[in-house]
Amino acid sequence: LAKTTQPISMDSYEGQEVNITCSHNNIATNDYITWYQQFPSQGPRFIIQGYKTKVTNEVASLFIPADRKSSTLSLPRVSLSDTAVYYCLVGGSNYQLIWGAGTKLIIKP
Amino acid sequence: DAGVIQSPRHEVTEMGQEVTLRCKPISGHNSLFWYRQTMMRGLELLIYFNNNVPIDDSGMPEDRFSAKMPNASFSTLKIQPSEPRDSAVYFCASRIKAGSGTEAFFGQGTRLTVV
Repeated sequence: LAKTTQPISMDSYEGQEVNITCSHNNIATNDYITWYQQFPSQGPRFIIQGYKTKVTNEVASLFIPADRKSSTLSLPRVSLSDTAVYYCLVGGSNYQLIWGAGTKLIIKP
Repeated sequence: DAGVIQSPRHEVTEMGQEVTLRCKPISGHNSLFWYRQTMMRGLELLIYFNNNVPIDDSGMPEDRFSAKMPNASFSTLKIQPSEPRDSAVYFCASRIKAGSGTEAFFGQGTRLTVV
């Protein structure tokens, strides 16, 4: 099962773009890359998922280089409400998703 | 749909007592997961059901833990007897299917405190 490595914490300011990079050197051919967001006292919430290149939705973009050994979650113009823990997960055709410690993102005014 | 519904939201019990956590997955989802989250160990997968059948329970800590899914709309996680080290937030999640490309939807969790 592919493991991921991401920064333990990050700080940024309101209105800035935030990029969180995740390393997954052992990603398998059929693995997708998925990012979740978790607020205190809530369950994780799906943000975005991709397989290669770039994926964009209404809340974030996900950049995946050709070798797929890393990925970058990009949050445009963050606000205080984006303060949360962000998890990068890699999973394939089976059910297993390995949850790391995540990145604690703190947005300052 | 109301999402994944867990009950109770909070549970405080004494060591040695039986605890039952409940989960109603999203209608139409055929995969259900029970997770446990603590500060020390993060999110851990306890057990996974597919079409109401337990597929992998290797994450269940010990025999004190058991889980059932009698039908597609209900699952329980039982701890008997409970111990203080079982204190954690327990999450239930469901997916349309277990394969890649599908997102998991989590409930609000049950915060269990064993004193």
